[in-house]
This record gives sequence, structure tokens and C-alpha cells, in this order.
Amino acid sequence: TQLLEQSPQFLSIQEGENLTVYCNSSSVFSSLQWYRQEPGEGPVLLVTVVTGGEVKKLKRLTFQFGDARKDSSLHITAAQPGDTGLYLCAGIAYNFNKFYFGSGTKLNVKP
Amino acid sequence: GAGVSQSPSNKVTEKGKDVELRCDPISGHTALYWYRQRLGQGLEFLIYFQGNSAPDKSGLPSDRFSAERTGESVSTLTIQRTQQEDSAVYLCASSLLRQLGNEQYFGPGTRLTVT
Repeated sequence: TQLLEQSPQFLSIQEGENLTVYCNSSSVFSSLQWYRQEPGEGPVLLVTVVTGGEVKKLKRLTFQFGDARKDSSLHITAAQPGDTGLYLCAGIAYNFNKFYFGSGTKLNVKP
Repeated sequence: GAGVSQSPSNKVTEKGKDVELRCDPISGHTALYWYRQRLGQGLEFLIYFQGNSAPDKSGLPSDRFSAERTGESVSTLTIQRTQQEDSAVYLCASSLLRQLGNEQYFGPGTRLTVT
């Protein structure tokens, strides 16, 4: 059983469209991270959100941490083919050592 | 500086054979993690090393899996008597231990195929 569930699992959209990816859990985390992984490579950190309700922006990407620190969302505005990849959320336990990864959302942005 | 490296990048083995996967973390990173990733899926935690503390082995799927780490350097993940369901990408990550915002730096992974 996955501690963090992501939805949707797969998303195929046209360049220029907007999209939102969700990461949900019944557990509370000290912080939450989003990673992007491209084929043949390891995941790369995009952002860390720490405070309940926090919103962070990274160019066209907006990340939000739920008020209760159990869930998060990633919104991409005007998606581009370069955004294609596997997006993974990871909740960090309160001992700061254990990372719980979500099931992943595979995004394909068509030109 | 150099990132996390893993070897081999690809390994094809016959069912029943043992395999050893290697991870070289970033120098100075005290924490090291092993994950398993099945095709197109998320990361499954296997084991975590932190300095000289006892490793957290709670994610190892069976006693065929074991891992060692020499001090704060190289780690090896060993799978004995491999099975077809062991086929996956095995990822290693290292990080500094901070209270908040720990960033894991991942290697490129070892793709294991058991035939």
C-alpha cells in the first residue's frame, strides 16, 4: 500500500494547456518535496514545501502544501514539451530521515 | 563536484544468480538511501544508512536482499538467488542530514533484468 497517492497516473496534453497533479495521504509530514525524473536518469528535486498552506512558484510551476500537511498539488501553466517526465512527490517523516515517495504521475506534453 | 554514481548501469542476469550493485555517494554526504523502481512507477524504499548508526532495513522485501556501507562512502546492494520479480531499476541517493529541506541527490540507477 502506497503511503502517498498521486493522481492522475498518466496525463497526455497539448503544448500550452494547464494541468494539476495531486499528491494525497492520510499521514502528516514535516515537509514535502516534488521531484521530476526523465527516462534513464534519477529524480531531480524541484521544490520543498515546509509550512502548511505554503505556496511556492518556480517559473510556470506552482506548488502548494495542504493546510494539514497531508497533501500537495503541482500546477503547471502553459505546459511545454520540456515539462515531459515522471513527477514524484515525497513526504518527509518527522525524524527528517525517511522519505515516502508517491506512485508518480507520468506527463507527456505534445508539441 | 561529482554527483552520485552507480555501477553497473545495466545488468542482465539469470534467475538464481547473485548480483551486486554499487553506489558511490557525494563526498561528505552522511545519509545514503537505496530505492527500487519498477517500470513507470514510483520509488520503493529499501534501506537507509546514516553515519555509524544501525541502518534502517525496514524496506528490504526479503532476506535475499542485503546492503552494506563502508563508513560514509561506498555502498553495495546484494541480491541473492535473483528472481524475475527483482527486475527493476535500483536507485541510490545521498544527502546531508539537515532538519528541514533535505535534498536527495540521485544516481542514474542500475537497470537489473533477470531472465
